[in-house]
Amino acid sequence: SQQGEEDPQALSIQEGENATMNCSYKTSINNLQWYRQNSGRGLVHLILIRSNEREKHSGRLRVTLDTSKKSSSLLITASRAADTASYFCATGGSNYKLTFGKGTLLTVNP
Amino acid sequence: NAGVTQTPKFRVLKTGQSMTLLCAQDMNHEYMYWYRQDPGMGLRLIHYSVGEGTTAKGEVPDGYNVSRLKKQNFLLGLESAAPSQTSVYFCASIRTLEGNQPQHFGDGTRLSIL
Repeated sequence: SQQGEEDPQALSIQEGENATMNCSYKTSINNLQWYRQNSGRGLVHLILIRSNEREKHSGRLRVTLDTSKKSSSLLITASRAADTASYFCATGGSNYKLTFGKGTLLTVNP
Repeated sequence: NAGVTQTPKFRVLKTGQSMTLLCAQDMNHEYMYWYRQDPGMGLRLIHYSVGEGTTAKGEVPDGYNVSRLKKQNFLLGLESAAPSQTSVYFCASIRTLEGNQPQHFGDGTRLSIL
């Protein structure tokens, strides 16, 4: 079963706008990670937030984690056409296993 | 440093045929994982290994077998392929000496079962 569920399933924005994706999960976690997948490629790790952290930044990425609501959000600021991809949240559990959501397809129009 | 390499990249099989997918990592990672990804879905864990000579079942292990004879290689086998196993298969590995590390993924094997 999929632990994380992303929302929305698809998002279309103009270049320069911000993109926000949300993730909800069901059970306790060690960490929550966000990955990007370009069409026809493997997953690339973007950012990891530990269960005792509330916010983390990496370049144009900002991730928040609310363990009381079992939810996380990924904000991409000043989006570019190259940000067009699918974005997945994944919750980290025992044996470093990841449980993935179904993903958000982000389209950034030039 | 190639990271995680999967071979082959594409394959078409007939129902009932067998094949082995190879995953190789050159990062000296302890843990390795096999996932499948179906359209509109996230990745689902098939099997994983916590070290050379070990394997364990994931979420969707039926119809697959795995082996980890060498630390750098993780093989996924389909003994009798079925159309339901048409999917994109991803391998990943992780460095576990420090906690909370990301997984490193290969580019996938696209497998079609006719």
